[in-house]
Amino acid sequence: QQPVQSPQAVILREGEDAVINCSSSKALYSVHWYRQKHGEAPVFLMILLKGGEQKGHEKISASFNEKKQQSSLYLTASQLSYSGTYFCGSVIQGAQKLVFGQGTRLTINP
Amino acid sequence: DVKVTQSSRYLVKRTGEKVFLECVQDMDHENMFWYRQDPGLGLRLIYFSYDVKMKEKGDIPEGYSVSREKKERFSLILESASTNQTSMYLCAVAGTRYQPQHFGDGTRLSIL
Repeated sequence: QQPVQSPQAVILREGEDAVINCSSSKALYSVHWYRQKHGEAPVFLMILLKGGEQKGHEKISASFNEKKQQSSLYLTASQLSYSGTYFCGSVIQGAQKLVFGQGTRLTINP
Repeated sequence: DVKVTQSSRYLVKRTGEKVFLECVQDMDHENMFWYRQDPGLGLRLIYFSYDVKMKEKGDIPEGYSVSREKKERFSLILESASTNQTSMYLCAVAGTRYQPQHFGDGTRLSIL
């Protein structure tokens, strides 16, 4: 039931864009996105509930596809501060808990 | 913002010891969670609690137990610590089990 994240790791130069995917074999009730910087606690970024939904800030946004089986996190014109490990968490429809993916490690170089 | 405090950042214990990890929140949220984090495996749920004295098993409860006697405090207990329980342990808190979770800084536990 663990969602599958891809890629497992990304290395970018500052200013480049990144996309992180989170997929499930079953329809999801919701998807959460978190970022964890090295040595720190994971921090909540956003939650998506509706099929076809897109939300987020200027440079960090996310989408949830119509079938509610895939979500993508978009980081545009990446900054050094975006470095860290990104986790998606999914709640399968009918299930009672949030399950996290294995994480995507994002490294931004100057 | 919710403040989630874990009792220790680093802890070293010996095989066979009984180990207590404590987590305290300041926001009166019903739901509290214990995860372990291992490289390449993400965050795996050990146990969660949805009210005082109420608990549910997560995905990897074997070798662990929990206690929630007061709403603000959730303890993880390693009954007889083993080396394969060396890991980072994270506590999280949420209003409901589906709402965003707020994490503590984690306890890096080493079992020798």
